[in-house]
Formats: sequence, C-alpha cells, structure tokens
Amino acid sequence: DVKVTQSSRYLVKRTGEKVFLECVQDMDHENMFWYRQDPGLGLRLIYFSYDVKMKEKGDIPEGYSVSREKKERFSLILESASTNQTSMYLCASSFVPPDTQYFGPGTRLTVL
Amino acid sequence: KQEVTQIPAALSVPEGENLVLNCSFTDSAIYNLQWFRQDPGKGLTSLLLIQSSQREQTSGRLNASLDKSSGRSTLYIAASQPGDSATYLCAVLNQAGTALIFGKGTTLSVSS
Repeated sequence: DVKVTQSSRYLVKRTGEKVFLECVQDMDHENMFWYRQDPGLGLRLIYFSYDVKMKEKGDIPEGYSVSREKKERFSLILESASTNQTSMYLCASSFVPPDTQYFGPGTRLTVL
Repeated sequence: KQEVTQIPAALSVPEGENLVLNCSFTDSAIYNLQWFRQDPGKGLTSLLLIQSSQREQTSGRLNASLDKSSGRSTLYIAASQPGDSATYLCAVLNQAGTALIFGKGTTLSVSS
C-alpha cells in the first residue's frame, strides 16, 4: 500500500513564525504536491515538484516556498506565518506519467 | 482557465438508494479525470480514475463515466450504505499532467 505521511495532524503557530510542514512518501513517486483546502474554496495547488530539487508554482504560491532535497520528502515552508494561512494542508504524490495522486492525512494549521 | 463544478453541493438519501453525482468541466483538453472520497478531517482517497481516452470505470458499487466532448462526468453509487457518507470530489488533470483542478465536492449523507 502506498503511504504518504505528514509530520503533524494539528499545528498551532503564532503570526510571524517560520513554519515547516513535512511530507514523506514511500512509493518512489517522482511527483509531489502541496495543496491547501478551505471551506467554500475547495482544494488549491500551492506548489508541485516533478524531481529532486525541481519545483513549480501552482495557483497560490504567494507566502510559501518548498524544498525537495530527497525524492521521498517534500517540505512546505511558511517564511512568516499569517492568519490567512490558517487552513488544512494536504500533500500528495504520484508517478510519471501521471497516475492517481495519493494523499496524506492532512495537517490542520492554525495561525494565531 | 479550467473550472470544475459539482452538483449538487449536498445530498441526503435513505440507505439502499442508487444515486448519481455530477461533475462538469469547462476545458475538454484533459489528461484524465479522477473521483476522490474525503471523510471529515481526513485526507483524500482515490476511488476511480478515467483516462481521457476511456468512457467509464467501475469498482464494486461505483461506476464513473466520462464524456469529454460535453465536459461531463458522473459517479453512480449503487445500493448506497451509511458508510458511503462522505464528501466526493471530482478532479481533472490538465493535458500537461502537472495540475489537478478540483471541484468543491458533493457532501453525501446516507441514513439508515
């Protein structure tokens, strides 16, 4: 079974803090993705990566950066957290050519 | 810009009913279409994936169809059960295979 794990299920941070969200997959997938999910807005793509050290902006990259130093790990970084970044963050991975995306359990981040 | 719409937003049915969830998309140039299930506070689970060259896929009590020319997909659930209660998300993968665009989902409630 494919497993995508995220470092925390729930996280509470203060405005201005630097926040790291970690995602690890165990299926040797080339593609990895970060989404955020908000009520009424659905899932929106923040960044994706199709290879180690490669990254592409999604629909809403502002305020975020990413890092992929190893194939199995994709990190989402909030350089200076703000209250409007309070959301559910979902990581996903897939093979190339595109197959179904496998999602992690999500991290519910609250920024106070 | 690709937009994905799901109708209805919410649906309540008694156990045993057959039901149809609808998904429409504005740009027929897609790589594939996927249906996901999301339980409250959890990540997404892939249900069915239809490649752009296919017309339908089946898994157990679930059947998904794709009509690319009209920009429509349906998810048919036979003999619904209370365990089917969840939010169902439709997503299309762009032709480059780089981005999944999600609908906002249909929240299904099946009562016993």
